[in-house]
Amino acid sequence: DVVMTQTPPSLSVAIGQSVSISCKSSQSLVYSDGKTYLHWLLQSSGRSPKRLIYQVSNLDSGVPDRFSGTGSQKDFTLKISRVEAKDLGVYYCAQTTHFPNTFGAGTKLELK
Amino acid sequence: QVQLKESGPGLVQPSQTLSLTCTVSGFSLTSYHVSWVRQPPGKGLEWMGVIWTGGSTAYNSLLKSRLSISRDISKSQVFLKMNSLQTEDTATYYCARSGYTYWGQGVMVTVSS
Repeated sequence: DVVMTQTPPSLSVAIGQSVSISCKSSQSLVYSDGKTYLHWLLQSSGRSPKRLIYQVSNLDSGVPDRFSGTGSQKDFTLKISRVEAKDLGVYYCAQTTHFPNTFGAGTKLELK
Repeated sequence: QVQLKESGPGLVQPSQTLSLTCTVSGFSLTSYHVSWVRQPPGKGLEWMGVIWTGGSTAYNSLLKSRLSISRDISKSQVFLKMNSLQTEDTATYYCARSGYTYWGQGVMVTVSS
């Protein structure tokens, strides 16, 4: 199985700060069609996960451009600029290139 | 609009079988696949399996011997059945549309006598 290693496990941030979360996979996430199926999800407290970014860098509808995703092959980063209170929660990277699909362990973003 | 909603028992006895239903609306099961994902309390997400648009399935190898996913297209429902439940199967169970674009609200299942 593809292991997704997310760091850091937690982040304390002040409103308005910028943060980055790293996600590294044990195998390349480039699929045979040339696309990379690495996604970022946010799970706010007590809620279902919500996808923010798909295929590395594409923002889902309604996701502010304060969020950005970069990376390739096995190394990916989520950046949040100007953090707002509604951004708090647990962020997961997820890969759907390989079976079984796997998730990172999560990064908890909380207020400093 | 697209919606998914899980339903099923909140409490299951050890060694029994769990049966969950995911009722979808706003899309067809013949156009989008649906996965089941679970999350033990305070822990991360685990992919369980998927039913593809054509009806074939794929399962997490760790669960494969106990898990079955099926569907009823006419009712827009996807079913999960998992047998021989143990306490470590206590979790919130989610169904999600392909690519994790949409998720259900989840159903908390506790395995306990």
